[in-house]
Amino acid sequence: EAQVTQNPRYLITVTGKKLTVTCSQNMNHEYMSWYRQDPGLGLRQIYYSMNVEVTDKGDVPEGYKVSRKEKRNFPLILESPSPNQTSLYFCASSATYNSPLHFGNGTRLTVT
Amino acid sequence: GQNIDQPTEMTATEGAIVQINCTYQTSGFNGLFWYQQHAGEAPTFLSYNVLDGLEEKGRFSSFLSRSKGYSYLLLKELQMKDSASYLCAVKRERYSTLTFGKGTMLLVSP
Repeated sequence: EAQVTQNPRYLITVTGKKLTVTCSQNMNHEYMSWYRQDPGLGLRQIYYSMNVEVTDKGDVPEGYKVSRKEKRNFPLILESPSPNQTSLYFCASSATYNSPLHFGNGTRLTVT
Repeated sequence: GQNIDQPTEMTATEGAIVQINCTYQTSGFNGLFWYQQHAGEAPTFLSYNVLDGLEEKGRFSSFLSRSKGYSYLLLKELQMKDSASYLCAVKRERYSTLTFGKGTMLLVSP
């Protein structure tokens, strides 16, 4: 089954403790991206990647890192999480930069 | 920068037709997407417009006017399962980010 898989689905952590949210797609998609969704603010893009080793900042990149060492994986790294990063995170992929996005099921992160 | 506006909430009755509008202001334009998001779930793709005009897909249609910076999503024969948030998203340039509006929460009542 074609899908985007994020892990974990839920994560509670404390300020400053480094964490990684994994994202993997099995559709051989070139384009991958990370979004956060907050009430009243909608979906905002954090980082995106056009292909392996090609990443760029979205609208809200501060406090996040990404890497794209393999085509299928696009992990999101929070080196020192803060409470304002408490949010619902979605990973998404698409065949090309203007193809429809396929979203993962989301990761609900709480930073205390 | 970009500015995307959608109504926050709309209500409609089962079996009716509803139009959800989206206006955008952007420097450069390379396509507009509509997504549906049920509560607690991931967004799913509904439609894509890059040229002016109407795209029809079953009960859902989407319209684009690039000169007016305007799009709408038309939902016909509404069903209870259509209660969801509808997200308008604009791609500005070839390799740019995809920017989402805040979404329109549609409530369909019996």
